[in-house]
Amino acid sequence: EPEVTQTPSHQVTQMGQEVILRCVPISNHLYFYWYRQILGQKVEFLVSFYNNEISEKSEIFDDQFSVERPDGSNFTLKIRSTKLEDSAMYFCASRKVTGGSNAFFGQGTRLTVV
Amino acid sequence: RKEVEQDPGPFNVPEGATVAFNCTYSNSASQSFFWYRQDCRKEPKLLMSVYSSGNEDGRFTAQLNRASQYISLLIRDSKLSDSATYLCVVNQPYAGGTSYGKLTFGQGTILTVHP
Repeated sequence: EPEVTQTPSHQVTQMGQEVILRCVPISNHLYFYWYRQILGQKVEFLVSFYNNEISEKSEIFDDQFSVERPDGSNFTLKIRSTKLEDSAMYFCASRKVTGGSNAFFGQGTRLTVV
Repeated sequence: RKEVEQDPGPFNVPEGATVAFNCTYSNSASQSFFWYRQDCRKEPKLLMSVYSSGNEDGRFTAQLNRASQYISLLIRDSKLSDSATYLCVVNQPYAGGTSYGKLTFGQGTILTVHP
């Protein structure tokens, strides 16, 4: 079964450093997402990406965050200057179409900012 | 009012029990509804979509009441392997009505099934 893959599975970084989280969505999917889950809290939407541009973003997704689909297969989330409160599990997801179609999630990247 | 609200539990039930989870959502323009399951420190996985007519998948039955903005999940004959967090998830349209598939998650309901 096709799956969304994320790398790395765990990233530790110092406060103020830049991190790039990588995702390979399912190949024939058109809609891509990043979500995050702070430990003990609910899964929160960060951003959606369609047709090579951001289609929607949440209040969390401020100027420190950016997304890119550099080569038609990878989908990346960059955090420019990490803060302690960025520590969370980051999930990438993709969908073939919107609406009732299933969103497939990657296994997540656990980001720890120290 | 929270966008998607669930009873956080935890629910502790014996094997074989029937357990029901409830969820309410605040945006009447919400378009699609799902139950996801999340095991500890893992990604959410789709359990089932929820349709207006109600739907069943084996031991799992989901119901949707659009008028009350209420979603439910019933698990019959609970198994040890059903122990997980159950997430009520709603697909909400963008401000202009277009849907890009943003999912809004509830806090999750923790279920523990014991022998």
